[in-house]
Amino acid sequence: AQTVTQSQPEMSVQEAETVTLSCTYDTSESDYYLFWYKQPPSRQMILVIRQEAYKQQNATENRFSVNFQKAAKSFSLKISDSQLGDAAMYFCAYKGDQFYFGTGTSLTVIP
Amino acid sequence: ETGVTQTPRHLVMGMTNKKSLKCEQHLGHNAMYWYKQSAKKPLELMFVYNFKEQTENNSVPSRFSPECPNSSHLFLHLHTLQPEDSALYLCASSQVSGGATNEKLFFGSGTQLSVL
Repeated sequence: AQTVTQSQPEMSVQEAETVTLSCTYDTSESDYYLFWYKQPPSRQMILVIRQEAYKQQNATENRFSVNFQKAAKSFSLKISDSQLGDAAMYFCAYKGDQFYFGTGTSLTVIP
Repeated sequence: ETGVTQTPRHLVMGMTNKKSLKCEQHLGHNAMYWYKQSAKKPLELMFVYNFKEQTENNSVPSRFSPECPNSSHLFLHLHTLQPEDSALYLCASSQVSGGATNEKLFFGSGTQLSVL
């Protein structure tokens, strides 16, 4: 089975600064999708950004961007100009035959 | 109306109780999922329903029984649970088409279950 590893259980960032969350995955497939989901205290997981493995260009969504390194099986999330509302658990996910999730990174934003 | 609604938000039950979790999606999706979320663990896929047919059952104990009466509703019936079953149970939905892998999951806010 595919595995997704998030090696940073907790991260913190100063408001307005930039933070990068790490994610690595293990797969032998060539066609797959990668996701970052955000889970705020309301508990509802919200899709932040998605990357198709066949695309070399890194996905961006406003202040959120990814650094996708397919050969290294790395998929990090960069949050620019961090805001208080960015504080949440962030989950990296891999989608092949099914979804596989990491253990999450808890992000604190310091005012 | 949010896209995926789960009730109840919190549930406390004894090991001999029988209860049910409810999920409803308003997105017109054709697949629904139950996930178990425990602290410091990856989300565990429990059940998948595509077009109302169960397609995955990841070795979930029989004390968890899913029901999908239509493509908009999903239930998880609980009976004789154990304390280690205490967790956040998340429902999700997606639109599956032709076996493509580009689907996205839409989640509800979960039911926080405590088994005493």
